[in-house]
Amino acid sequence: EDQVTQSPEALRLQEGESSSLNCSYTVSGLRGLFWYRQDPGKGPEFLFTLYSAGEEKEKERLKATLTKKESFLHITAPKPEDSATYLCAVQERRDDKIIFGKGTRLHILP
Amino acid sequence: DAMVIQNPRYQVTQFGKPVTLSCSQTLNHNVMYWYQQKSSQAPKLLFHYYDKDFNNEADTPDNFQSRRPNTSFCFLDIRSPGLGDAAMYLCATSRAGTPYNEQFFGPGTRLTVL
Repeated sequence: EDQVTQSPEALRLQEGESSSLNCSYTVSGLRGLFWYRQDPGKGPEFLFTLYSAGEEKEKERLKATLTKKESFLHITAPKPEDSATYLCAVQERRDDKIIFGKGTRLHILP
Repeated sequence: DAMVIQNPRYQVTQFGKPVTLSCSQTLNHNVMYWYQQKSSQAPKLLFHYYDKDFNNEADTPDNFQSRRPNTSFCFLDIRSPGLGDAAMYLCATSRAGTPYNEQFFGPGTRLTVL
């Protein structure tokens, strides 16, 4: 069964304390892997798309990487405004179906 | 700015009373999606339209229906809401057939069932 698993479920960091969020996936063929940010009571906001193993994308304090089995979202020197739930989604090549993970709730303490 | 708009943002209905949620987009995307998201859970795809072609997920209850009268608008009808249907409903769009398949989400409609 195709699955997307994110870890940890929740993460509390001090401001400036860098860390990584994990998204592991099992699909028959990957068309793309997406990272989204979701603030409470709002819709997900697109961050990155990764298409092939070895690819990396960066935006401000965030950097996303991709291997054949997992993706990491690295957060460097986070600030309180980076607090949100980060969702990973995988699109299958077979039928273009998109599967979301449950997300990682990130809380950055000032 | 091009965007995805959902109305209303908050909807309260009574058990068994039909409700309609709406979504409009100015992105001119050919694919539109409806997701259900419960607290601390992943968004769950209910169905999507590829242009006018309707695609229902196998586990979407018959209680949920959808209409897409034109490219810009899509509606989610819940015929007889139950307490378990209380959730955030998210509309999203994407442009299929390009290298970029990312979805753009609306702000969501929070549905409460009394």
